[in-house]
Amino acid sequence: GENVEQHPSTLSVQEGDSAVIKCTYSDSASNYFPWYKQELGKGPQLIIDIRSNVGEKKDQRIAVTLNKTAKHFSLHITETQPEDSAVYFCAASSPGYSTLTFGKGTMLLVSP
Amino acid sequence: DTAVSQTPKYLVTQMGNDKSIKCEQNLGHDTMYWYKQDSKKFLKIMFSYNNKELIINETVPNRFSPKSPDKAHLNLHINSLELGDSAVYFCASSAMTGGEQYFGPGTRLTVT
Repeated sequence: GENVEQHPSTLSVQEGDSAVIKCTYSDSASNYFPWYKQELGKGPQLIIDIRSNVGEKKDQRIAVTLNKTAKHFSLHITETQPEDSAVYFCAASSPGYSTLTFGKGTMLLVSP
Repeated sequence: DTAVSQTPKYLVTQMGNDKSIKCEQNLGHDTMYWYKQDSKKFLKIMFSYNNKELIINETVPNRFSPKSPDKAHLNLHINSLELGDSAVYFCASSAMTGGEQYFGPGTRLTVT
């Protein structure tokens, strides 16, 4: 089955800096890669996703890049704000498996 | 208008008891899931139902029994609760298997 590795497990940045979280996946057939943000006491919320037919996608301050050859994808957050502090999960979906496989999460702390 | 709702939000109970968690989605999705999130924040898939039929049943003790009375509901019943069952349980739904998932707010189960 699919295996998703996520790094780093924790990330501390100053407000205004950029943050990058990286994930690798094992199944070359995986074709859908979402990113979720989980705030304290809440369920994960989808913030951005990318499909295997594109290499990059942006939505305001967040962007995701995908390198299918290397089987890795990354989340980029620019101009971080304290409200970006949360746990972020990457995930991958492969056609042979009926759900998403999640990474172990990255706790992002943005200090004012 | 909550898309995916769960009840109860908190559940404190003693070892050996039987309890249920309910989940409802009003998104018209065909697929619903149960995840367990442990203290290290790892999201582990437990079950997945598509159109009321079980399609994923990960290695979960048979004390856990999901029930889907209709496409919009997926309940989780747990028999003979153990200390190790303490965790946050999330329900999620998606329009299709392996696609974008929407999560509920979670149920924090504490077994004493």
